[in-house]
Amino acid sequence: GNSVTQMEGPVTLSEEAFLTINCTYTATGYPSLFWYVQYPGEGLQLLLKATKADDKGSNKGFEATYRKETTSFHLEKGSVQVSDSAVYFCALSGDTDKLIFGTGTRLQVFP
Amino acid sequence: GAVVSQHPSRVICKSGTSVKIECRSLDFQATTMFWYRQFPKQSLMLMATSNEGSKATYEQGVEKDKFLINHASLTLSTLTVTSAHPEDSSFYICSVHRGPGQGPNIQYFGAGTRLSVL
Repeated sequence: GNSVTQMEGPVTLSEEAFLTINCTYTATGYPSLFWYVQYPGEGLQLLLKATKADDKGSNKGFEATYRKETTSFHLEKGSVQVSDSAVYFCALSGDTDKLIFGTGTRLQVFP
Repeated sequence: GAVVSQHPSRVICKSGTSVKIECRSLDFQATTMFWYRQFPKQSLMLMATSNEGSKATYEQGVEKDKFLINHASLTLSTLTVTSAHPEDSSFYICSVHRGPGQGPNIQYFGAGTRLSVL
C-alpha cells in the first residue's frame, strides 16, 4: 500500500540556517504530494504541494521538488526563522481523496 | 480567513459521557469531510470519511458505534465520541474536501479539538 517516510526529529537549527527535511514515499500510480505545517496547538495548514513529477511546490520560502526517480519530496528552506518552528508533515494522495501522512518532523529554530 | 471551523477547541469530560465535535466548511460545499485522530508527537491517523447524505466510511480498527459521524449537510459534519473513556483522550482534527469542479483537489483542516476524558 501507499506510505510516506520522513526523517525523525527534532531538527534543531539556528536562525538563518539551511533546512532540509527528507521525505520519501511508496505509491502505485502517480500520487500528489504535500507538505503540511502544524503550529503549536493548531490544526494543519497546507504549506505546498506538487501534483506531477518534476513539479516544484513553493511557499513562504519553502520549496520541494517531486522526484519520481528517487520517490522523494524533500522540504528545503534557505534561511529559517524562529517563527518556522513547528511540526512538518509530508503526505500523499493517491487515487482516492485520502491523505496518507508521514510521522511528522519537529523543527526548532533558536535565535 | 479560516476555511474550516471546528468546535469546540477543547473539551474536558467525565468518563462515560458523550462528546460532540462539529466541523463546518465556511467557504464551499464539502461533499467529503475527513476525521483524523492525533496522539501526542505522532502523525494523523484517518478515522473515517464522512460523505454528505450517506453513511461514513470507517478505517480498519475504528469502532463505528464508538465514533458516530453525521454529515447532514454540505457544510457540516459532526463526530460524537460516545461513552468516552480516558483512552479516547486525543486531538481530533477534521478536514474538508471540495466537491467536484469546485477547485483544487486539496484538503483544508480545522484547528482541532483536544479531548481530555477524566
